[in-house]
Amino acid sequence: SAVISQKPSRDICQRGTSLTIQCQVDSQVTMMFWYRQQPGQSLTLIATANQGSEATYESGFVIDKFPISRPNLTFSTLTVSNMSPEDSSIYLCSVAYRGNEKLFFGSGTQLSVL
Amino acid sequence: AQKVTQAQTEISVVEKEDVTLDCVYETRDTTYYLFWYKQPPSGELVFLIRRNSFDEQNEISGRYSWNFQKSTSSFNFTITASQVVDSAVYFCALSEVEIQGAQKLVFGQGTRLTINP
Repeated sequence: SAVISQKPSRDICQRGTSLTIQCQVDSQVTMMFWYRQQPGQSLTLIATANQGSEATYESGFVIDKFPISRPNLTFSTLTVSNMSPEDSSIYLCSVAYRGNEKLFFGSGTQLSVL
Repeated sequence: AQKVTQAQTEISVVEKEDVTLDCVYETRDTTYYLFWYKQPPSGELVFLIRRNSFDEQNEISGRYSWNFQKSTSSFNFTITASQVVDSAVYFCALSEVEIQGAQKLVFGQGTRLTINP
């Protein structure tokens, strides 16, 4: 199984600022994803973090708002830019290994925007 | 488009009762995967099961069992003799065929299960 470390675990931010969330995996993974879970809601895929190239965003999410980096096979960052209260959510990193049936999730970053 | 529906928003039962969580899905793919995840109060998502669309055998793992019926596009989850530790939000999810070794999941809305002592 994967050990996924997400930092920070929670943060309270002011409107208009940006927060970068880090996701570190203990081994090389095939793919990394970022999900959002709004309060009391389900998980929605934001984007696939591609190693060495631009992330692939899902409908409704754009790079200017959620820039993503993945410089290597074990690390990725998600930035929530120009935050508003509507961005208050849990952000989760998930990883997958080629040939492995499971998608592993980090413990999430709980973001509150005032 | 793929869609997962968990019609039960919240369920509350007394300990030791059996409880079934419903999951209905929509997809145009002939090959797909179905998942159940558990999200306890700590927040992390715990993988429970993956089932591919060609395998309609029911599965049992201890007190947990899953009933996959392609004819009704359902993948229901039953907990037998429930325990307080089973209290969590349970998500059903669907993914397209594995691409480049990855899984992109579409999640249902989740069912909040509360087991009362």
